[in-house]
Amino acid sequence: DTGVSQDPRHKITKRGQNVTFRCDPISEHNRLYWYRQTLGQGPEFLTYFQNEAQLEKSRLLSDRFSAERPKGSFSTLEIQRTEQGDSAMYLCGSSKGPYNEQFFGPGTRLTVL
Amino acid sequence: QKEVEQDPGPLSVPEGAIVSLNCTYSNSAFQYFMWYRQYSRKGPELLMYTYSSGNKEDGRFTAQVDKSSKYISLFIRDSQPSDSATYLCATLTGGGNKLTFGTGTQLKVEL
Repeated sequence: DTGVSQDPRHKITKRGQNVTFRCDPISEHNRLYWYRQTLGQGPEFLTYFQNEAQLEKSRLLSDRFSAERPKGSFSTLEIQRTEQGDSAMYLCGSSKGPYNEQFFGPGTRLTVL
Repeated sequence: QKEVEQDPGPLSVPEGAIVSLNCTYSNSAFQYFMWYRQYSRKGPELLMYTYSSGNKEDGRFTAQVDKSSKYISLFIRDSQPSDSATYLCATLTGGGNKLTFGTGTQLKVEL
């Protein structure tokens, strides 16, 4: 399978715990994106990378959120001190560059108790 | 005003019907539009990608952009129960770097 993959698919955690998600983009894509989707809403942009450089962060990405893409391959999204409001589907996408189609992975569903 | 607006539905149609899904957008500078299909608890799947005005057809799906009225549409011909999903419209913003989505329209195709 050469699509975008995400791990884990589901994560249940207690409030205050840290969680980390992983995304592996389509191999020839140099752009990687993170979005968050809550129930009944469309995905909302969080951040994106061009190779290993993080070029833009949404105001939705509070100080508790950090994303990395070492060596321009896979990416991780960490949420520290999780809150119930962090419960959502976290989607990773990738593309060949700007103005290109973005393809998404299956998402990581986070539930904060 | 949201940048992309979409009626959330739900929309229920009989099998074989022609489905029309619509979005409006606020900024006349938007030029790149996408339609995604999302099954429950899955990631969005890209269906159509269009640039500027006009129509684009792919199998049973036709995407249409009307820049004069800032209106985008997705038509599904001969709808099937397997088309039951949420359909998301989106436009590329921020210099082509990020997608701004509508809320999605939930579609149910009934036997």
